[in-house]
Amino acid sequence: GAVVSQHPSWVICKSGTSVKIECRSLDFQATTMFWYRQFPKQSLMLMATSNEGSKATYEQGVEKDKFLINHASLTLSTLTVTSAHPEDSSFYICSAYGQGRDNEKLFFGSGTQLSVL
Amino acid sequence: LAKTTQPISMDSYEGQEVNITCSHNNIATNDYITWYQQFPSQGPRFIIQGYKTKVTNEVASLFIPADRKSSTLSLPRVSLSDTAVYYCLVGDRYNTDKLIFGTGTRLQVFP
Repeated sequence: GAVVSQHPSWVICKSGTSVKIECRSLDFQATTMFWYRQFPKQSLMLMATSNEGSKATYEQGVEKDKFLINHASLTLSTLTVTSAHPEDSSFYICSAYGQGRDNEKLFFGSGTQLSVL
Repeated sequence: LAKTTQPISMDSYEGQEVNITCSHNNIATNDYITWYQQFPSQGPRFIIQGYKTKVTNEVASLFIPADRKSSTLSLPRVSLSDTAVYYCLVGDRYNTDKLIFGTGTRLQVFP
């Protein structure tokens, strides 16, 4: 199936700093990517939909100024957690639909564990 | 908004067949049913997808009744490495408001 690459796998930062997470579709183009957040032993929560060349769509309760999304190319979407605080510590996961016979299959990155000190 | 309901947890022993059922009463005509496996600190991994009837691949089978209001993931002869959380996701790529995960089923396989 399609491969979605996410970096970094984990990051530790100080409170007040910003952190950027990258999500790449390696062997296909993704005009739309999705960002999820997951707390320990909980399900994935959809944060936002990233659209290539246009503004992201955020789910209710997700601060767009806090979680900046940039989808500048057909293979790359980035999530920047601005002025991170300890409560932003979480597991962040991106995803994208495949192409061709994988058109209806959602593929996920390996996730990024963010720890804010 | 499509919603899925699964058992919170299940226990099994190595070598047994495990069946996990997901209810999705509000499934729409264009929706596909997809199952994912997730290990701790990893992204969900695609297992199997179906639209109706039965689908089988090298790791699992997916049974979907005619009304499509539920689906059952079948894992033959589980091993310890199948201990994970399993999610069913119902939707299609053109209706992204359905990309909502349910609680998932935490499967524990014992030796």
